[in-house]
Amino acid sequence: GENVEQHPSTLSVQEGDSAVIKCTYSDSASNYFPWYKQELGKGPQLIIDIRSNVGEKKDQRIAVTLNKTAKHFSLHITETQPEDSAVYFCAANTPPSNTGKLIFGQGTTLQVKP
Amino acid sequence: NAGVMQNPRHLVRRRGQEARLRCSPMKGHSHVYWYRQLPEEGLKFMVYLQKENIIDESGMPKERFSAEFPKEGPSILRIQQVVRGDSAAYFCASSPPGRQNEKLFFGSGTQLSVL
Repeated sequence: GENVEQHPSTLSVQEGDSAVIKCTYSDSASNYFPWYKQELGKGPQLIIDIRSNVGEKKDQRIAVTLNKTAKHFSLHITETQPEDSAVYFCAANTPPSNTGKLIFGQGTTLQVKP
Repeated sequence: NAGVMQNPRHLVRRRGQEARLRCSPMKGHSHVYWYRQLPEEGLKFMVYLQKENIIDESGMPKERFSAEFPKEGPSILRIQQVVRGDSAAYFCASSPPGRQNEKLFFGSGTQLSVL
């Protein structure tokens, strides 16, 4: 079945450094890849997403890259701040069902040390 | 514009009881999704509904679980005869019309604990 693998499971960086989280998906038909940030006790919040017709997308300190051939996509956070500390999830859609079903990765716990 | 509203935030049930989880989507959103999250894991899709219709329930257990999204009122996820393995965080999400598989906005979840 469809699967999304996410690495690393935990990531600790110093404030100001960059953080990179990587995901691999199995369904070659997937064409939508969102990233969610989940803080303790809260629901996941969409922070950035990318469609398969684009190789890279940037929003201030956050960027996502997509390699369709290798079925890899990555989240890049530059100039990290303590408030970036959270669990980050990647996900991929499951066409052609077009039913809103997203397959999530296992999550990455990011800790930004002041 | 209020976000996705879920209640209760915490629900404690004894084995064999029923759990009823409620979700009101964002204003203007017509698609509702339920996901389950076990500790230290990602979210698992359960069901996708539009008003009065179940579109995809491929992630729902065949027994004891049901979902509805009536014409009026919130979406309800119902778990009958709960067991300890049902303990999890249940998240509801909604998306705008025409974007049923993108831009999902999640609520804060209901933490279900089965004693």
